[in-house]
Amino acid sequence: GENVEQHPSTLSVQEGDSAVIKCTYSDSASNYFPWYKQELGKRPQLIIDIRSNVGEKKDQRIAVTLNKTAKHFSLHITETQPEDSAVYFCAASLTGGGNKLTFGTGTQLKVEL
Amino acid sequence: DAGVTQSPTHLIKTRGQQVTLRCSPKSGHDTVSWYQQALGQGPQFIFQYYEEEERQRGNFPDRFSGHQFPNYSSELNVNALLLGDSALYLCASSFGRNNSPLHFGNGTRLTVT
Repeated sequence: GENVEQHPSTLSVQEGDSAVIKCTYSDSASNYFPWYKQELGKRPQLIIDIRSNVGEKKDQRIAVTLNKTAKHFSLHITETQPEDSAVYFCAASLTGGGNKLTFGTGTQLKVEL
Repeated sequence: DAGVTQSPTHLIKTRGQQVTLRCSPKSGHDTVSWYQQALGQGPQFIFQYYEEEERQRGNFPDRFSGHQFPNYSSELNVNALLLGDSALYLCASSFGRNNSPLHFGNGTRLTVT
């Protein structure tokens, strides 16, 4: 089955700096890659997603890049703010796999003032 | 427009007991998936329901079962509870089965003592 690895497990940045979180996946058939943000005690919330026919997608301060050949994808957050502090999860879904998402282990992002 | 709602929010059970968790999908969604999230981990896929049938299943024992009703709401049942079943159980809904964005509920925190 699919396996998703995520790193780093913790990331501390200064307010205004950029943050990058990286994930790799094992199954080349995966074609959908969402990113979720989960604040303490709250639900995971979809912040951005990308499909395998696209190499990059951007939404304001958030961007995701996908390298299908290398089977890795990354989340980029620019101009970080304290409210960006949360756990971020990457996930992958197989072609024809319905909505079965395989999640990474999460990155605890802390934005310091 | 209500999002995904789950009940109860918290539950304490004893080893060997049975539990039923409930989920109402986001308006307009017809597919419900259940995930288990252990402390400090990413969500793990349990199963997915579409058209009142289990369509996909993750690596969980038969003690975990579910149901989907004609109004698309769903239940997750866990029999013969083990201490290791203590986790946050997340329901997620989507429209259709294939790689459409998942919207999560706030989850049910199950503690088995």
